[in-house]
Amino acid sequence: GNSVTQMEGPVTLSEEAFLTINCTYTATGYPSLFWYVQYPGEGLQLLLKATKADDKGSNKGFEATYRKETTSFHLEKGSVQVSDSAVYFCALSPKEAGTALIFGKGTTLSVSS
Amino acid sequence: DGGITQSPKYLFRKEGQNVTLSCEQNLNHDAMYWYRQDPGQGLRLIYYSQIVNDFQKGDIAEGYSVSREKKESFPLTVTSAQKNPTAFYLCASSQGVGQPQHFGDGTRLSIL
Repeated sequence: GNSVTQMEGPVTLSEEAFLTINCTYTATGYPSLFWYVQYPGEGLQLLLKATKADDKGSNKGFEATYRKETTSFHLEKGSVQVSDSAVYFCALSPKEAGTALIFGKGTTLSVSS
Repeated sequence: DGGITQSPKYLFRKEGQNVTLSCEQNLNHDAMYWYRQDPGQGLRLIYYSQIVNDFQKGDIAEGYSVSREKKESFPLTVTSAQKNPTAFYLCASSQGVGQPQHFGDGTRLSIL
């Protein structure tokens, strides 16, 4: 079946540190992949996406590359800020028609100044 | 501005009561979803709807009911059969099922 596995948090970093949040997936075929971010007390916002192998999604300094060889979509940022503190969710869109997105369990990031 | 509006932001339920959470979207999206979020468990899909007058159960539909009479609206009723309803509920919509989803700001439900 289809599934998403994220690294468990919390991830605690100092400002300007490098961030990696690992995400791997299991799916039939080549699904579309997404990263969402959730700030405290709010809903989820789409951060970036990739729809085919080797695509790189990017937004607000965050990047993730669709790696079919390793079935991964790791989220990276070169220099985090306190304002990046949030919960990050990796998700996939299965190729099967009529199937909702499948989300990972989320990774909490805490950045201190 | 187009978006998804969930109301109320906070909701309290007495034991044995049904409560209805509102979700309205003006994005002209066909698909709508309800998720439940508990600490450390991520998002769990309750129900989703691909078109008006049609909906499918998600992973945790027991104790919940929905309707989709209008494209813009997808209310969720938490029935008294749901024994542990305290959670953060998120509504989302997308152009079609499997497309990127837009989320509302959620409703936090608590039991009195």
